[in-house]
Amino acid sequence: EAQVTQNPRYLITVTGKKLTVTCSQNMNHEYMSWYRQDPGLGLRQIYYSMNVEVTDKGDVPEGYKVSRKEKRNFPLILESPSPNQTSLYFCASSSDLAGTNEQYFGPGTRLTVT
Amino acid sequence: AQTVTQSQPEMSVQEAETVTLSCTYDTSENNYYLFWYKQPPSRQMILVIRQEAYKQQNATENRFSVNFQKAAKSFSLKISDSQLGDTAMYFCAFMLTYNAGKSTFGDGTTLTVKP
Repeated sequence: EAQVTQNPRYLITVTGKKLTVTCSQNMNHEYMSWYRQDPGLGLRQIYYSMNVEVTDKGDVPEGYKVSRKEKRNFPLILESPSPNQTSLYFCASSSDLAGTNEQYFGPGTRLTVT
Repeated sequence: AQTVTQSQPEMSVQEAETVTLSCTYDTSENNYYLFWYKQPPSRQMILVIRQEAYKQQNATENRFSVNFQKAAKSFSLKISDSQLGDTAMYFCAFMLTYNAGKSTFGDGTTLTVKP
């Protein structure tokens, strides 16, 4: 089954404690992205990756890091989380080779930073 | 840079009736995709419909159809015969054809279907 998985699904942490949210896709997609969703603000793109070792900033990259060492994985790293990073996070993957560009989303990670 | 605007934060419709959700966008590019995604209370993002900018014909998927006006940069979603399961937040999204990674979403419209 084609899918994007994220872990953990829920996370409560404290300010300044480094954390990583993992994302994996099994569709061999070249593109992967991270979004955050906040009430009234829709989905805002944090970072995206065009392929292994190639990443670029989205609209709200401050306070986040990403890496793409393998095509299937795209972890999101918060090195020093702050309360304003409390949000719902989505990972997505996509491809422009099939001519659809459709994004497949993971189930989301609810992060609370106290 | 691209922008996407959804001017209706909330809408409601009676079951079996038709509703139209609005979306406008701004871009200087010619080759792009537009999408409508549905997010039910489960929070899962589900693709509803896709439109390629070079196609003049409006996309249709069962009860869902779009009115794509490229010159006006407008991309509305029409839901016919609304069902209770259509209750969700709907997002309009823009993506360049040659870059399936960079995407811009609108703020969303919460649709409630009333019995």
